Amino acid sequence: AQKVTQAQTEISVVEKEDVTLDCVYETRDTTYYLFWYKQPPSGELVFLIRRNSFDEQNEISGRYSWNFQKSTSSFNFTITASQVVDSAVYFCALSPTTNAGGTSYGKLTFGQGTILTVHP
Amino acid sequence: NAGVTQTPKFRVLKTGQSMTLLCAQDMNHEYMYWYRQDPGMGLRLIHYSVGEGTTAKGEVPDGYNVSRLKKQNFLLGLESAAPSQTSVYFCASSYGGSPSTDTQYFGPGTRLTVL
Repeated sequence: AQKVTQAQTEISVVEKEDVTLDCVYETRDTTYYLFWYKQPPSGELVFLIRRNSFDEQNEISGRYSWNFQKSTSSFNFTITASQVVDSAVYFCALSPTTNAGGTSYGKLTFGQGTILTVHP
Repeated sequence: NAGVTQTPKFRVLKTGQSMTLLCAQDMNHEYMYWYRQDPGMGLRLIHYSVGEGTTAKGEVPDGYNVSRLKKQNFLLGLESAAPSQTSVYFCASSYGGSPSTDTQYFGPGTRLTVL
């Protein structure tokens, strides 16, 4: 069984602060994929990043960076110099590479989400 | 491209009523999914489809049925709504090819309240 834990239910920061959202996962698969999605107040889910389990390089995209550590089963997300527009619920998710029947599909297991509020 | 669209955006039902949620995608994706989002629980997979005419159960399928008669549409049905089905429902779709490139894209959600 797969599990994703986002222990931080809510985080509140002031604009321009750096903030890290934690994600810890459990899986028996040797290969898998990790994702982060953003859900702004408008409600839609926005894809941010996908990372496969055999690529442990950290990734940076503008003010966003992701730290993947297989040894600790963590895939943390850092926002540098946070802005009010970053206020949202952030979800970490895990996907196997195949299901039990051998059909390849991305069944996502989501964490509970972290509510980030950035104050001006 | 509209991406993934969902109809309706909001709905209020009485216990025992039935309804169908429609999901449509214009990206020619093979795979489609229905999730429900409840406070503090993230999103949970209800049913999914890996192609036209196919459906399969996800994590929380009880009380729901689905159909994929056309590649671009994925319908979620509630035959006899219960208050426990009050939730926000999200549809998603993905190309379904190699796992290394498959990413799910989500619709805007449907907020359903069952009284």
